[in-house]
Amino acid sequence: GQQVMQIPQYQHVQEGEDFTTYCNSSTTLSNIQWYKQRPGGHPVFLIQLVKSGEVKKQKRLTFQFGEAKKNSSLHITATQTTDVGTYFCAGGGSYQLTFGKGTKLSVIP
Amino acid sequence: GAVVSQHPSRVICKSGTSVKIECRSLDFQATTMFWYRQFPKQSLMLMATSNEGSKATYEQGVEKDKFLINHASLTLSTLTVTSAHPEDSSFYICSATQLGAGEKLFFGSGTQLSVL
Repeated sequence: GQQVMQIPQYQHVQEGEDFTTYCNSSTTLSNIQWYKQRPGGHPVFLIQLVKSGEVKKQKRLTFQFGEAKKNSSLHITATQTTDVGTYFCAGGGSYQLTFGKGTKLSVIP
Repeated sequence: GAVVSQHPSRVICKSGTSVKIECRSLDFQATTMFWYRQFPKQSLMLMATSNEGSKATYEQGVEKDKFLINHASLTLSTLTVTSAHPEDSSFYICSATQLGAGEKLFFGSGTQLSVL
């Protein structure tokens, strides 16, 4: 079945440093979604990428979908303490949404 | 490790029937399991939180008599959609938190429910 690997599992950064989390799928995806889970909260939808090679930006967040539609990345520029949380990718296939295990981001002020 | 198995992955049923969805933590004990619903291109909507051996806590607007949740053991939670109607057609997904692993969520693979 479809598997989505997400790395790293944990990341500690100094405030102001950049952060990137990566997702790789075992199969070609129809789309990829990114979620953020704040401490004590539940995953909140950030964005969905559909097209091969697509790049989308939300303020300091940059999302990329690979040309082969099998990998994706989320990059945060100049992290802030408000960025703390766990970031999940979720790969969409036929009647399926497969979540990665998430990357927990800690930001040291 | 930390695998959550959800079955079935897809179900098509007639209006008025009930559908049971299972969520199992295969290699860990899940203190808490969560059930979500997702409409196309929308965020996950938390439906309820279930703790082993106690009644589930439902989010506002979710009918507990329609979406029956049972969490009989530390490794199994079930969601039963009773008397399903076409408007119940959606993607349902569970997640679990592992005993001793804090708030980290592990997701099942989801169930696409289509009610005819």
